[in-house]
Amino acid sequence: TQLLEQSPQFLSIQEGENLTVYCNSSSVFSSLQWYRQEPGEGPVLLVTVVTGGEVKKLKRLTFQFGDARKDSSLHITAAQPGDTGLYLCAGLSYNQGGKLIFGQGTELSVKP
Amino acid sequence: SQTIHQWPATLVQPVGSPLSLECTVEGTSNPNLYWYRQAAGRGLQLLFYSVGIGQISSEVPQNLSASRPQDRQFILSSKKLLLSDSGFYLCAWSVAERLYEQYFGPGTRLTVT
Repeated sequence: TQLLEQSPQFLSIQEGENLTVYCNSSSVFSSLQWYRQEPGEGPVLLVTVVTGGEVKKLKRLTFQFGDARKDSSLHITAAQPGDTGLYLCAGLSYNQGGKLIFGQGTELSVKP
Repeated sequence: SQTIHQWPATLVQPVGSPLSLECTVEGTSNPNLYWYRQAAGRGLQLLFYSVGIGQISSEVPQNLSASRPQDRQFILSSKKLLLSDSGFYLCAWSVAERLYEQYFGPGTRLTVT
């Protein structure tokens, strides 16, 4: 069974701080996605990374796909209260027929 | 642009009652459709997926079933709900060319009492 492990599971920081969320696996993925979810709503796709070593930036968010395509990280610079939410990574494996495998999520709280 | 709808938004049902949740997608043709369940606001568990009308793949054996009567309609059902069926049910779609990018509906919060 392929698993994606996210860390930390919970993170509470002050506005303006930086943070990094990690998504790790022992399996190789053909692509990896990051989603953000607010309470009572569906996840919203933030980014897709497909190439080993790829780095993508979305304003204050930086996403990186590991060289071996087994891990990814999300770094937020100068966090704001609006960044609060559940961050989920999801990977599409080579042999899963188009099914995404989701991590358990990182619950981020940014306090003003 | 594409949109995805789910209803109802919330549902409270007694144990043993039937269930029908509906999901519809607009603005795309022949999408892949998915049903997920999310417990306690954490990771998502894939329940069913469909690549076309009448084509349903089940991921987890349980008392739930899914049907796709039309191209952009996906229905999640149960004949008799269990307490353990409580959760947040999410429908999602993707296109065949970009299976890895799934777009989620607003979800249905189901509480079985």
